[in-house]
Amino acid sequence: GENVEQHPSTLSVQEGDSAVIKCTYSDSASNYFPWYKQELGKRPQLIIDIRSNVGEKKDQRIAVTLNKTAKHFSLHITETQPEDSAVYFCAASHHPGNQFYFGTGTSLTVIP
Amino acid sequence: ETGVTQTPRHLVMGMTNKKSLKCEQHLGHNAMYWYKQSAKKPLELMFVYSLEERVENNSVPSRFSPECPNSSHLFLHLHTLQPEDSALYLCASSPLAGGETQYFGPGTRLLVL
Repeated sequence: GENVEQHPSTLSVQEGDSAVIKCTYSDSASNYFPWYKQELGKRPQLIIDIRSNVGEKKDQRIAVTLNKTAKHFSLHITETQPEDSAVYFCAASHHPGNQFYFGTGTSLTVIP
Repeated sequence: ETGVTQTPRHLVMGMTNKKSLKCEQHLGHNAMYWYKQSAKKPLELMFVYSLEERVENNSVPSRFSPECPNSSHLFLHLHTLQPEDSALYLCASSPLAGGETQYFGPGTRLLVL
């Protein structure tokens, strides 16, 4: 089955700096890669996703890049703000199919 | 934040108890999921239901028993649990199973004594 690895497990950045979180996957059949943000005591919420027919996707301060050949994808947050502090999870899935595989999470702290 | 709801939000049970977790989605989705979230571990997919049919059971012990009476409701029946089953149990739904955005409920924080 699929194996998703996520790095780093913790990340601290100064407010205004950029943050990058990386994930690798093993199953070349995976074609859907979402990123979730989970604030303390709250549910995971989708912040951005990318499908395998696209190399990059951007939404304001958040971007995701996908390298299908190397089987890795990354989350980029620019101009970080204290409210970006949370745990971020990457995941891999494929459609059709029923499985979702999550990374172990990255705890991001943005220091004011 | 009312698309996917879960009850109860917190649950404490003994190892001999029987309890049920409930999930309801108001999004018109056809797939529903149960996840287990433990500290310092990835989200673990437990069960997947698509159009009320169980399509995945990821080697989950039989002390966890899911039920999906219709596309809007999902239950997780618990019996004779172990302390290591203490975790946050999250329900999610998506339009279709696999490769689609999932929407999570707030979770049930379970403590097994």
